[in-house]
Amino acid sequence: RKEVEQDPGPFNVPEGATVAFNCTYSNSASQSFFWYRQDCRKEPKLLMSVYSSGNEDGRFTAQLNRASQYISLLIRDSKLSDSATYLCVVPSGGWGKLQFGAGTQVVVTP
Amino acid sequence: DGGITQSPKYLFRKEGQNVTLSCEQNLNHDAMYWYRQDPGQGLRLIYYSQIVNDFQKGDIAEGYSVSREKKESFPLTVTSAQKNPTAFYLCASSIGGTGVAASYEQYFGPGTRLTVT
Repeated sequence: RKEVEQDPGPFNVPEGATVAFNCTYSNSASQSFFWYRQDCRKEPKLLMSVYSSGNEDGRFTAQLNRASQYISLLIRDSKLSDSATYLCVVPSGGWGKLQFGAGTQVVVTP
Repeated sequence: DGGITQSPKYLFRKEGQNVTLSCEQNLNHDAMYWYRQDPGQGLRLIYYSQIVNDFQKGDIAEGYSVSREKKESFPLTVTSAQKNPTAFYLCASSIGGTGVAASYEQYFGPGTRLTVT
């Protein structure tokens, strides 16, 4: 089993709609989680950090389910500019080391 | 502007040649990292460095080498021993230290696309 697994998508979302997708992780001891956004052929950029049960930043909400070992990302009122690949990231066995999921692609359509 | 720069953006090399990718940061971050990204896969850690003159192997270090002689710079050499060097290479940095956010909130440069034929 991979350490971090994501549905690759794509999730096709009408503009203004809500989309949510999950990320499962294998290390039950993980205490912090991160969502990065990566635009096509660009570098990942930190979107949100999650250190407790969840986090909210504007239209973006991350929720953590420790019992089932998954973290979700919800995007409300989707904008065309939200089209990107969202990477789930979990610390992995050592100082500063991160395990990246392969990403979930979101395509927001007019 | 503070940030991380990588050069060049695109690099083409013949098989059997070593090539060095540049990574510079002016964020005053202690920690720096090198990743590679292949299509449909997550980022994989090649090498990382917590402080100057110290670095550790990541998950896929074979065929790569690094140096950390200055806090601002962390160049990566892709040697001819790397079997599949064609990839998107990303450099990142973080504040460093023992705090969770300091260690794990990483900021990336724009990347170098290396093609070896």
